[in-house]
Amino acid sequence: DAGVTQSPTHLIKTRGQHVTLRCSPISGHKSVSWYQQVLGQGPQFIFQYYEKEERGRGNFPDRFSARQFPNYSSELNVNALLLGDSALYLCASSLFPPSSYNSPLHFGNGTRLTVT
Amino acid sequence: DQQVKQNSPSLSVQEGRISILNCDYTNSMFDYFLWYKKYPAEGPTFLISISSIKDKNEDGRFTVFLNKSAKHLSLHIVPSQPGDSAVYFCAAELSNTGNQFYFGTGTSLTVIP
Repeated sequence: DAGVTQSPTHLIKTRGQHVTLRCSPISGHKSVSWYQQVLGQGPQFIFQYYEKEERGRGNFPDRFSARQFPNYSSELNVNALLLGDSALYLCASSLFPPSSYNSPLHFGNGTRLTVT
Repeated sequence: DQQVKQNSPSLSVQEGRISILNCDYTNSMFDYFLWYKKYPAEGPTFLISISSIKDKNEDGRFTVFLNKSAKHLSLHIVPSQPGDSAVYFCAAELSNTGNQFYFGTGTSLTVIP
């Protein structure tokens, strides 16, 4: 079975531009989460979607937005890119609803975004 | 504010010996804890978890211990193998937030053959 797939794997953008990152969850998984990992740090929670609805949002500015589609894939959008947005963006899926207990996340390999 | 902390950025261990990775947390409302392993150019891979109602969970060579009074979590790998060389992240989840995990900064483990 395919794991979580993310595209593109690498991306270079200029300050002020907009970027869209894409994620396909593991088949059967209805919950998708997005995390940002800056070099030398652990992943930081951005968004969680379940059944196409936003179920959680981390401490990120409104320049960050996301959505989940009927096939449970997801997009993360970042507007007005800043140098500080350079990071590895990780998508993760899980089998159970957000309110379920003991449901580990399964991560994709991430999209490496570089803002110049 | 870092609610989950891994104070050792790196650890080196001889093959066959025990590796002990440590993690501390500050929020007593965390009720589910996990360890992830990460190789370069790959996403984190789920390794083992423990709920706050237990103090130990074992899976093969990997054992996680939870000391709630000390707000401390540890991962034991016995025996360590060169393939275990990776960055290990601990993570914690607040009750009823569902999948919103707080991660530590990671410990880079090197197992020397």
